[in-house]
Amino acid sequence: DAGVTQSPTHLIKTRGQQVTLRCSPKSGHDTVSWYQQALGQGPQFIFQYYEEEERQRGNFPDRFSGHQFPNYSSELNVNALLLGDSALYLCASSFPGAYSYEQYFGPGTRLTVT
Amino acid sequence: QQPVQSPQAVILREGEDAVINCSSSKALYSVHWYRQKHGEAPVFLMILLKGGEQKGHEKISASFNEKKQQSSLYLTASQLSYSGTYFCGTEMTYKLSFGAGTTVTVRA
Repeated sequence: DAGVTQSPTHLIKTRGQQVTLRCSPKSGHDTVSWYQQALGQGPQFIFQYYEEEERQRGNFPDRFSGHQFPNYSSELNVNALLLGDSALYLCASSFPGAYSYEQYFGPGTRLTVT
Repeated sequence: QQPVQSPQAVILREGEDAVINCSSSKALYSVHWYRQKHGEAPVFLMILLKGGEQKGHEKISASFNEKKQQSSLYLTASQLSYSGTYFCGTEMTYKLSFGAGTTVTVRA
């Protein structure tokens, strides 16, 4: 059973460019959350997708957008990249059978903006 | 709002005990604990729910004081494999907010 997968593993972009990160959830999971983790910090919640809709959003600007596909996979898009967007981007999937549920994290995409 | 964790770091020898604390300024329904080893993804440890229910996979215990809006994670008889950064998370309407983490180093 494959866990959460993310692509690409590493990415280098220039300021002002746009980037798309991809995530495939664990088998049987229908909810995907995205997090940004700066070096030495805890993961910061970007947004969560469920039934192809953004269900909740953290304190991130509109430059951060996402999408969930019918097969539950998800994309994170970041426009007009800033140096401060350099971070590890984590995707986590879960099956919300109850109000609180455990999340399974993928290995992350390391984004470097130069 | 992010929960606050303490201490920031702790160094232990194998077999020693440690406590990691997590507090929130908001009323908590649940507290989540994850561990992240260097260069790896965070891994779920446990969820503590209001009312006392706990769901976890490891032999690491924790407590949840709803009135004080605090949780503590207990590392008992620590093993080398316990090394990593521990994050507590508080949940509100599908949004999980993590603390800054506590780095635990267990030495032989």
